[in-house]
Amino acid sequence: AQTVTQSQPEMSVQEAETVTLSCTYDTSENNYYLFWYKQPPSRQMILVIRQEAYKQQNATENRFSVNFQKAAKSFSLKISDSQLGDTAMYFCAFMTLYSSASKIIFGSGTRLSIRP
Amino acid sequence: NAGVTQTPKFRILKIGQSMTLQCTQDMNHNYMYWYRQDPGMGLKLIYYSVGAGITDKGEVPNGYNVSRSTTEDFPLRLELAAPSQTSVYFCASSYSNTGSNQPQHFGDGTRLSIL
Repeated sequence: AQTVTQSQPEMSVQEAETVTLSCTYDTSENNYYLFWYKQPPSRQMILVIRQEAYKQQNATENRFSVNFQKAAKSFSLKISDSQLGDTAMYFCAFMTLYSSASKIIFGSGTRLSIRP
Repeated sequence: NAGVTQTPKFRILKIGQSMTLQCTQDMNHNYMYWYRQDPGMGLKLIYYSVGAGITDKGEVPNGYNVSRSTTEDFPLRLELAAPSQTSVYFCASSYSNTGSNQPQHFGDGTRLSIL
């Protein structure tokens, strides 16, 4: 069974700083997707970034980038030049490439606070 | 540009009552999902549907039922509400279920309390 672990329940940084959120996962699959979702206080779930396991290049979306270490089964999210609007819960998630059971497995989340 | 619409946003139920959480999407997505999010936890899949007339259980289906009579609607039914079902419920939809066709589009959630 696949599992996703986020070992940092809460983090807090100053505005404009860089912060890295950790995520590890466990799977016997070789092909899969990894995601970071953001959930602001409005509760809306928003996809931040996606990584295909078969791609060696780390995904980047503006200020958001990942460090994908397939052998270590690690998938961290780096937020550069953090902004007040980045305050949210962040969920790491996993999905097999061809998922007939249609399951995305979510981690327990990291609550990130950006201080002014 | 409605996306995924959930109603109601908040509800308080008494133990043993029943209710239906409504979910509608206007993106013509085949796949729809119901998740629950308990405090401090990630989302867990309750039920999902791959198209009208087809539903299947997710990770935590006990105590819930679903139906999918149309592409647009995917209601979630609680028959005998229990305190353990106090949670925030999210409906989501996607064009397909492959990772390349994420993200799933989420509704704003329904906060349900069972007292």
